[in-house]
Amino acid sequence: ETGVTQSPTHLIKTRGQQVTLRCSSQSGHNTVSWYQQALGQGPQFIFQYYREEENGRGNFPPRFSGLQFPNYSSELNVNALELDDSALYLCASSPRQGTPAGEQYFGPGTRLTVT
Amino acid sequence: AQSVAQPEDQVNVAEGNPLTVKCTYSVSGNPYLFWYVQYPNRGLQFLLKYITGDNLVKGSYGFEAEFNKSQTSFHLKKPSALVSDSALYFCAVRDMKVYNAGNNRKLIWGLGTSLAVNP
Repeated sequence: ETGVTQSPTHLIKTRGQQVTLRCSSQSGHNTVSWYQQALGQGPQFIFQYYREEENGRGNFPPRFSGLQFPNYSSELNVNALELDDSALYLCASSPRQGTPAGEQYFGPGTRLTVT
Repeated sequence: AQSVAQPEDQVNVAEGNPLTVKCTYSVSGNPYLFWYVQYPNRGLQFLLKYITGDNLVKGSYGFEAEFNKSQTSFHLKKPSALVSDSALYFCAVRDMKVYNAGNNRKLIWGLGTSLAVNP
């Protein structure tokens, strides 16, 4: 059973640019959540995808968008990057329905730096 | 509003001594509570969870947590700390808000507690 993987591990972008972060969920997991973790802070929920549809969203502007694919992998897209978008972006997958709710399996994260 | 509080930014303990990392919560209904650990430049790793049943929950790496409903707390404990336990610890509670589809697995997170175990 493979774990959650994310790419790239590090990324440097310029303010105003666009970025796409990728996540492969753990085998058999159909729910993917994305979190933003600023330095010294806890993870902030961005949104969650379940069976290719957005299933809940946190307090993030529309320039944060996502996709989930039939194989349950996911992308996080951020347009018009701002300096405050610099953070560690974490992807977490959850098992299919019927398994204990709430337990999530995290990838190692993508460190985004906006200059 | 649902929330999680970790009142201590940092906890320092000597190796071999017991450790406690505190967490309190505020949710409507019965809480689903979690502890995660984050090592430097790594993602979060699940330690343990409480959903129902025995108030003392045992998890990975010798950690345990005690659910106290009257005090709305879920403190993380370990009888004998190791230097390798030094990391950032996060308490989380499942958001009880119902979404349109699927099991709601959104978590509400505390700000984290940095644990330093000194040799």
